[in-house]
Amino acid sequence: TQLLEQSPQFLSIQEGENLTVYCNSSSVFSSLQWYRQEPGEGPVLLVTVVTGGEVKKLKRLTFQFGDARKDSSLHITAAQPGDTGLYLCAGEGGSNYKLTFGKGTLLTVNP
Amino acid sequence: SAVISQKPSRDICQRGTSLTIQCQVDSQVTMMFWYRQQPGQSLTLIATANQGSEATYESGFVIDKFPISRPNLTFSTLTVSNLSPEDSSIYLCSVMTGSEQYFGPGTRLTVT
Repeated sequence: TQLLEQSPQFLSIQEGENLTVYCNSSSVFSSLQWYRQEPGEGPVLLVTVVTGGEVKKLKRLTFQFGDARKDSSLHITAAQPGDTGLYLCAGEGGSNYKLTFGKGTLLTVNP
Repeated sequence: SAVISQKPSRDICQRGTSLTIQCQVDSQVTMMFWYRQQPGQSLTLIATANQGSEATYESGFVIDKFPISRPNLTFSTLTVSNLSPEDSSIYLCSVMTGSEQYFGPGTRLTVT
């Protein structure tokens, strides 16, 4: 069974601060996806990383896939209240394109 | 990407009854998935629904409790049967396009 561990589970910061969320596993994934979910909504795909060592940037968000494709990180620069939400990482590595989800990081950015 | 809608968005059901959730996609897709998200938890895959074949269920989920239909490439239903309070969750459908999955807005089920 593939497991993804996310940390921290909860994060409350002030507007303008930087933060990093980690997603770690002992398993190798063919790709890893990051989602953000707001209350009452489904997860919204932010990015997919596929290549070991890959770095993708989405405005103030920087995503990195580990060289061994077992871990990933999400770094947010100058966080804003609109960044508040549940951040989920999900790895694809099994059959039928099934995703294994981490438990999520609940981020609160206070104005 | 894909635009996915779900009905109902929320419902309150009595113990012992059933609820059928509909998932509609704006394009034809081969693979659709149903997930459960319990309060404060992450997503757990219930089953994979492929058109023209029976759904494939994950460990801990059975067809009698969670029957799924997939009549065409844009639509699927999930029924949660014989409801108990433990079934109170958000149920989400998702689709695979290319190598990425996109999710519907979810159906929030409360069982009383």
